[in-house]
Amino acid sequence: DAMVIQNPRYQVTQFGKPVTLSCSQTLNHNVMYWYQQKSSQAPKLLFHYYDKDFNNEADTPDNFQSRRPNTSFCFLDIRSPGLGDAAMYLCATSTMNTEAFFGQGTRLTVV
Amino acid sequence: GENVEQHPSTLSVQEGDSAVIKCTYSDSASNYFPWYKQELGKGPQLIIDIRSNVGEKKDQRIAVTLNKTAKHFSLHITETQPEDSAVYFCAADQAGTALIFGKGTTLSVSS
Repeated sequence: DAMVIQNPRYQVTQFGKPVTLSCSQTLNHNVMYWYQQKSSQAPKLLFHYYDKDFNNEADTPDNFQSRRPNTSFCFLDIRSPGLGDAAMYLCATSTMNTEAFFGQGTRLTVV
Repeated sequence: GENVEQHPSTLSVQEGDSAVIKCTYSDSASNYFPWYKQELGKGPQLIIDIRSNVGEKKDQRIAVTLNKTAKHFSLHITETQPEDSAVYFCAADQAGTALIFGKGTTLSVSS
């Protein structure tokens, strides 16, 4: 059974139109992450939650926001997607200093 | 913050040969070093990990070594098979929570 579920798997959005990607987990892990992965590149950490404590990476653009309403769910909001935001977005969960479990990712296309 | 360097970026081997991928990290406080395998269109999956109190760990054809003094760790795959072909990422923990990834190694195993 899938433990980290990302919806949708594929998302097409218009340039400048807000879009939300979702992630849910059945592992009850206290840490949830969002990574951006562009073609043939490593996953790049955007931000992570340790419980409700939000940690933003210094170089994450303001265009990217996140919400974690409860332990199981986390959302990535892109306020005004640009062509450069087209990528695979990966959600992951872990407990402190342990294996991170990744979802299958959402591939975002901006048209 | 943590910085992880990974080499080589591409690696081609014949079936049955060994493959070695090397990573260095910058933060001496890092304690957790996982290796992930990512197949096309999928999220990364953990294949092996090591903690700083251990120098080597082995799981069947896969082994990882860690030199904490030199701040480098390596993945060793023996008796490679075509299904080992994928992108491999090393990672190191940052402040005990988020994982920072290396740039990845594309491994091709030809039969």
